[in-house]
Amino acid sequence: GAGVSQSPRYKVAKRGQDVALRCDPISGHVSLFWYQQALGQGPEFLTYFQNEAQLDKSGLPSDRFFAERPEGSVSTLKIQRTQQEDSAVYLCASSLAFLGTHSTDTQYFGPGTRLTVL
Amino acid sequence: GENVEQHPSTLSVQEGDSAVIKCTYSDSASNYFPWYKQELGKGPQLIIDIRSNVGEKKDQRIAVTLNKTAKHFSLHITETQPEDSAVYFCAASTLRAGNMLTFGGGTRLMVKP
Repeated sequence: GAGVSQSPRYKVAKRGQDVALRCDPISGHVSLFWYQQALGQGPEFLTYFQNEAQLDKSGLPSDRFFAERPEGSVSTLKIQRTQQEDSAVYLCASSLAFLGTHSTDTQYFGPGTRLTVL
Repeated sequence: GENVEQHPSTLSVQEGDSAVIKCTYSDSASNYFPWYKQELGKGPQLIIDIRSNVGEKKDQRIAVTLNKTAKHFSLHITETQPEDSAVYFCAASTLRAGNMLTFGGGTRLMVKP
């Protein structure tokens, strides 16, 4: 079946521009996560959605970062006034379960969007 | 919050040899420990995971062990093949944090033919 998809795969932005990154999770998956992966490092948590509700945004590095999932499926991560330090791969992951179940559920990752800010 | 340390950062083995990657975690409430394989230009792919109610899990050439007392877990790959070459990440999760994963820094595994 179809996995998690992300678009665009690559994005080059000039410093100060706004960007929008899209994630299409696996159909029926309730939970959606965004992670940021700097070059040569492990992914770091940004934010978490259960359906359309953003339950945790503690990992967003600044108020320039904004995420939404208005209908509980597709999600968009928006970065305003991009800075060079925003250059990274942005990964989206989805899982079937949600907080409150007895076991942590598997997260499936998309291919990521590589953002380069010049 | 949770902190995950991973060693070694790079590992080079001959084809057919075994490879072992080790991770430690800090939050005793963590109860789920997945391992991901990431190839160049791709997203992380789950290869095996273990939950806190078991000490070992095996899937063909891959095994993971967990020591909750010492708060460390390890990935073992036997009979390595060139296609095993990739970056491997361990991670830890606790329900308390909404299932978010905390990743180690990664291990670049190179299998020489």
